[in-house]
Amino acid sequence: QKEVEQNSGPLSVPEGAIASLNCTYSDRVSQSFFWYRQYSGKSPELIMSIYSNGDKEDGRFTAQLNKASQYVSLLIRDSQPSDSATYLCAVNAILTGGGNKLTFGTGTQLKVEL
Amino acid sequence: NAGVTQTPKFQVLKTGQSMTLQCAQDMNHNSMYWYRQDPGMGLRLIYYSASEGTTDKGEVPNGYNVSRLNKREFSLRLESAAPSQTSVYFCASSLIDRGQSPLHFGNGTRLTVT
Repeated sequence: QKEVEQNSGPLSVPEGAIASLNCTYSDRVSQSFFWYRQYSGKSPELIMSIYSNGDKEDGRFTAQLNKASQYVSLLIRDSQPSDSATYLCAVNAILTGGGNKLTFGTGTQLKVEL
Repeated sequence: NAGVTQTPKFQVLKTGQSMTLQCAQDMNHNSMYWYRQDPGMGLRLIYYSASEGTTDKGEVPNGYNVSRLNKREFSLRLESAAPSQTSVYFCASSLIDRGQSPLHFGNGTRLTVT
């Protein structure tokens, strides 16, 4: 089982719809969760970070975290063609011996169609 | 502010050649990282430096060396390039150790080893 799993997609949604991107993780001690957006040929850029259970909203983006079920999701409302990109989920766990381990998923490709 | 600056942007090497990838950040971050990104593999950590004066191996350190020159600069060296090192390399930085604060990525270096 991969430590951080994402459906590779592509996930196609029509313009104006809600895009729902999901990520599951295996390490129960994970404490910090991040969503990055990566356009083709570009570097990842941070969209959202979430640290506690529940929803966190920032503009058209909402991150949802459920630690009991070990999943984190990203909702994009009113999807725009400019949202077409690969979305990377990253999960951090604090190690028992100290330090952190940040693991990235392989990403979900989102296509927003006109 | 430039953020995280990587050089070069593109590089072609022959097997056995050496090169150094340079990275500098101007955000006064303590931690710096080198990742490689390959299709279907996601981002994998090569080496990191939690703070000035320290470096540690990541998931895939073989064939690489690093130097944390000062708080701003973190270089990655390939001593004897191999075709398996063909990849996109990203330098990143964060205020504190990864996972506790978001990563900021440079624009990447596309390396081809023939």
